[in-house]
Amino acid sequence: AQSVTQLDSQVPVFEEAPVELRCNYSSSVSVYLFWYVQYPNQGLQLLLKYLSGSTLVKGINGFEAEFNKSQTSFHLRKPSVHISDTAEYFCAVSGVNAGGTSYGKLTFGQGTILTVHP
Amino acid sequence: DTAVSQTPKYLVTQMGNDKSIKCEQNLGHDTMYWYKQDSKKFLKIMFSYNNKELIINETVPNRFSPKSPDKAHLNLHINSLELGDSAVYFCASSQDSTLGIYFGEGSWLTVV
Repeated sequence: AQSVTQLDSQVPVFEEAPVELRCNYSSSVSVYLFWYVQYPNQGLQLLLKYLSGSTLVKGINGFEAEFNKSQTSFHLRKPSVHISDTAEYFCAVSGVNAGGTSYGKLTFGQGTILTVHP
Repeated sequence: DTAVSQTPKYLVTQMGNDKSIKCEQNLGHDTMYWYKQDSKKFLKIMFSYNNKELIINETVPNRFSPKSPDKAHLNLHINSLELGDSAVYFCASSQDSTLGIYFGEGSWLTVV
């Protein structure tokens, strides 16, 4: 079984400031990791994912995340945020079997609300 | 064109009623899902179908019955609605979950 903890429920920042949204996970098997964004009254949009290889992954809208296996973390970062980045962000994990196949379901963290102030 | 579309977007209904939420994906994906997002925004998988076959069935009351007439559709029927069923229900699909799971816009269900 997997679990995901997003360490901050709310993160307020000023426009053009850098931001980091923290995510830690636990799992008894290997994992794939994802970040999703949810704008108000909308569905979830995939920002980026880590499957294997380079631990630094880049996604849409200038976001990136770094996988740290020893710390079981997958923090999301953006060097300069915009007002339009105001949304809720969800970290998610999918367990992977020995053959590298995902078990096919995502376990989500409880979300971090990012509010960008002018 | 909307990749994963679900209807209705908003539904207000009384306790005890039976209601359905429909979902269609035009991405050609083999796998479809239903997720529930509660009032605290916590997202949890309910069901997953692969090529019309149920492959994931989390601990969900049997009042919830998914139906997949073909691999592009996964509907959710809920019998005897309860107040605690009020939530946002998201349909999603994927070809391979490693490539990401694509979500619909959500269906806001309010039981009064």
